[in-house]
Amino acid sequence: DAGVIQSPRHEVTEMGQEVTLRCKPISGHDYLFWYRQTMMRGLELLIYFNNNVPIDDSGMPEDRFSAKMPNASFSTLKIQPSEPRDSAVYFCASSLFSGAGETQYFGPGTRLLVL
Amino acid sequence: GQNIDQPTEMTATEGAIVQINCTYQTSGFNGLFWYQQHAGEAPTFLSYNVLDGLEEKGRFSSFLSRSKGYSYLLLKELQMKDSASYLCAASPPESNYQLIWGAGTKLIIKP
Repeated sequence: DAGVIQSPRHEVTEMGQEVTLRCKPISGHDYLFWYRQTMMRGLELLIYFNNNVPIDDSGMPEDRFSAKMPNASFSTLKIQPSEPRDSAVYFCASSLFSGAGETQYFGPGTRLLVL
Repeated sequence: GQNIDQPTEMTATEGAIVQINCTYQTSGFNGLFWYQQHAGEAPTFLSYNVLDGLEEKGRFSSFLSRSKGYSYLLLKELQMKDSASYLCAASPPESNYQLIWGAGTKLIIKP
């Protein structure tokens, strides 16, 4: 299996622009997670989906952030408008099912820099 | 509240042994994960402990004490490639799937 795929790997944009991050989970995995990682705050869960349905979006910073999962093999995280404080590495992860101890498999991440 | 603590940074010598500690306070607990993250890369799974005691996987071992809210990752015969950050994460009860992540311990291996 190719693992979790994310695109783009790097994104540099200017403040106010829209940013769309993409993720393809491992085939057959029912759960998809979006994380943000910064030096200051570490790894933070933004939102997760079960069978394409958003379950918990309490980690989404504000209304500028939105996530969708139109089908089992694709998800997007959109920031509109972007701000410099959004600069971070955004990881997508997937897991087979939600059980205690179920391993999450991370994608390579998207390094976002908002100028 | 829910909290996980681990040292920010540790330094060890190639060939030696190092122990990375993690303490947690969570409302409900199922088990504890350890992930390895090399600089600029994604976290990768190392271990998951549910029961008290030590679990060994080659050069890496992980220990859990549920009564003490304490875990450690033990790395033996350190190699330069072990230089990475090590993140512990607590797995809460199944009704809430959000893992509680530590900030990570940056391990520096010196020749």
